[in-house]
Amino acid sequence: GENVEQHPSTLSVQEGDSAVIKCTYSDSASNYFPWYKQELGKGPQLIIDIRSNVGEKKDQRIAVTLNKTAKHFSLHITETQPEDSAVYFCAATFDRDYKLSFGAGTTVTVRA
Amino acid sequence: NAGVTQTPKFRILKIGQSMTLQCTQDMNHNYMYWYRQDPGMGLKLIYYSVGAGITDKGEVPNGYNVSRSTTEDFPLRLELAAPSQTSVYFCASSPNTGAPQGEQYFGPGTRLTVT
Repeated sequence: GENVEQHPSTLSVQEGDSAVIKCTYSDSASNYFPWYKQELGKGPQLIIDIRSNVGEKKDQRIAVTLNKTAKHFSLHITETQPEDSAVYFCAATFDRDYKLSFGAGTTVTVRA
Repeated sequence: NAGVTQTPKFRILKIGQSMTLQCTQDMNHNYMYWYRQDPGMGLKLIYYSVGAGITDKGEVPNGYNVSRSTTEDFPLRLELAAPSQTSVYFCASSPNTGAPQGEQYFGPGTRLTVT
């Protein structure tokens, strides 16, 4: 099955700086890569996703890049704000499967 | 819409006890999932269902059972609780009726402690 590795496990950034989280996946058939944000005491919520026919996708201050050859994808958060503090999970799947394989998560802390 | 709701929010069980974690969604989603989240381990899929009457095992199904008699409800049953089942459990649903994969909507979670 799919194996997703996520780094770093914790990330502390100064407010206004950028944050980057990287994930690698093992199954070359995977073609859908979502990112979820989990705030304290809540369930994960989708913030952005990318499919394998696209190399980059942006939504305001967040962006995701995908390198299919190297089998890795990254989340970029620019101009970080205190409300960006949360746990972020990457995931991967083959879109005709119903099962997401999640990374272990990255705890992001934005320092004021 | 309330989205995905889970009950209870917290529960303490003694070893060997049984319980059912409830999950209900009001979005008429076909696909539903149960995950467990352990510290530093991400989310692991326990069971999933692609529609009423259809369930299948995920990555970590041992010690759990599910049923899906209606589109809305997807309860998770623990028959003989063990300390290894101490975790936070999340239910999720997805609107897909076919490929491609889409967003999964998560409930607020149930924190279970087995002592």
